[in-house]
Amino acid sequence: GAVVSQHPSWVICKSGTSVKIECRSLDFQATTMFWYRQFPKQSLMLMATSNEGSKATYEQGVEKDKFLINHASLTLSTLTVTSAHPEDSSFYICSAFVRSGPTNEKLFFGSGTQLSVL
Amino acid sequence: AQSVTQPDIHITVSEGASLELRCNYSYGATPYLFWYVQSPGQGLQLLLKYFSGDTLVQGIKGFEAEFKRSQSSFNLRKPSVHWSDAAEYFCVKGNNNNDMRFGAGTRLTVKP
Repeated sequence: GAVVSQHPSWVICKSGTSVKIECRSLDFQATTMFWYRQFPKQSLMLMATSNEGSKATYEQGVEKDKFLINHASLTLSTLTVTSAHPEDSSFYICSAFVRSGPTNEKLFFGSGTQLSVL
Repeated sequence: AQSVTQPDIHITVSEGASLELRCNYSYGATPYLFWYVQSPGQGLQLLLKYFSGDTLVQGIKGFEAEFKRSQSSFNLRKPSVHWSDAAEYFCVKGNNNNDMRFGAGTRLTVKP
């Protein structure tokens, strides 16, 4: 089946550094990718919707300059956490949306990235 | 390895009929369990979650789910399905390390 590869699976960084998370669709083209964030014992929070070749649409309360999203191709979207701080520590997960027909849509998830900022 | 299994890729039910979507998980520690719904063209919406306590969890839109430790299951149910319930449903398992595992999803089609 379709696979979404997300790297890295975990990362520890110092406060003030930037971290890039990649999300790749390995055997299909994803016109849309979603980026989520999850805090312990809470539900996933949609951060932004990324469409290939255009600017990402951010959810209310998500800082665009803090969480840079680039969807440069149909198989790759990246999330860069700039100047990370401890409060950015969280689990980040991407998902790729595929529509192969008017009634045939599917969402595939990456394996997630656990970010810890010291 | 931890995993979440949704055995049914696609389910079709008639409007007004009852619904049960199956979810099984591996790894024995008490999990955090979620059910999400993804409507066409939209992101995920949380239906309900289980962390502890009452094993029968009530969610939004008339959904409920029951955690059964002995069966490692967390099946989602609704007594009467509406046409607007047609969507993809994901069972998700988390743990104390905030490590999330998604099921492959079950697509629900509702017949008039």
